[in-house]
Amino acid sequence: GAGVSQSPSNKVTEKGKDVELRCDPISGHTALYWYRQSLGQGLEFLIYFQGNSAPDKSGLPSDRFSAERTGGSVSTLTIQRTQQEDSAVYLCASSPDRASGYTFGSGTRLTVV
Amino acid sequence: EDQVTQSPEALRLQEGESSSLNCSYTVSGLRGLFWYRQDPGKGPEFLFTLYSAGEEKEKERLKATLTKKESFLHITAPKPEDSATYLCAVQARGSNYQLIWGAGTKLIIKP
Repeated sequence: GAGVSQSPSNKVTEKGKDVELRCDPISGHTALYWYRQSLGQGLEFLIYFQGNSAPDKSGLPSDRFSAERTGGSVSTLTIQRTQQEDSAVYLCASSPDRASGYTFGSGTRLTVV
Repeated sequence: EDQVTQSPEALRLQEGESSSLNCSYTVSGLRGLFWYRQDPGKGPEFLFTLYSAGEEKEKERLKATLTKKESFLHITAPKPEDSATYLCAVQARGSNYQLIWGAGTKLIIKP
């Protein structure tokens, strides 16, 4: 597509429920990143996919967080047993290679109540 | 420890009043420095990549410069539509290509 698409744009969930966030990167971009941005905070790296290589999961804050990328394209970030501290904007970005600037989606605003 | 610091945290200017935003960095060898613009409710938008000291890049009213310790984003005769948060990030050599992000500078241009 023309840009990075994320869905849903907003998600309100109850504490303890699982959520899935979707990212559709730019076609042909081999690198895909998930970041988290809390109000007034900088970008927090979560996970990075590069082609068919094993993902870099070093930024995932706990084992409640997981992500997959199917067929080198669409990615899903899953948060299990959500907590209030998980409330944030989750941003996905893709790039043609790992040395290039990223194109970000508009993000999913997650609110855990 | 690799680190990126942006200053000021916020900057209010009158339309037409030129100024500069600063991004100071400490990394074990710079692979690249990136500038992004972020509007409320949107993801960051890529502006520039700088790779070596002395390099400059321009886009409309924005010009980014790079030294061995810092980068400046110069804004000339800004307009209200330039209001946004400007983010700086660096990519270190020998890293796994991850970006280290600054906290951003919120720029407000008053008409």
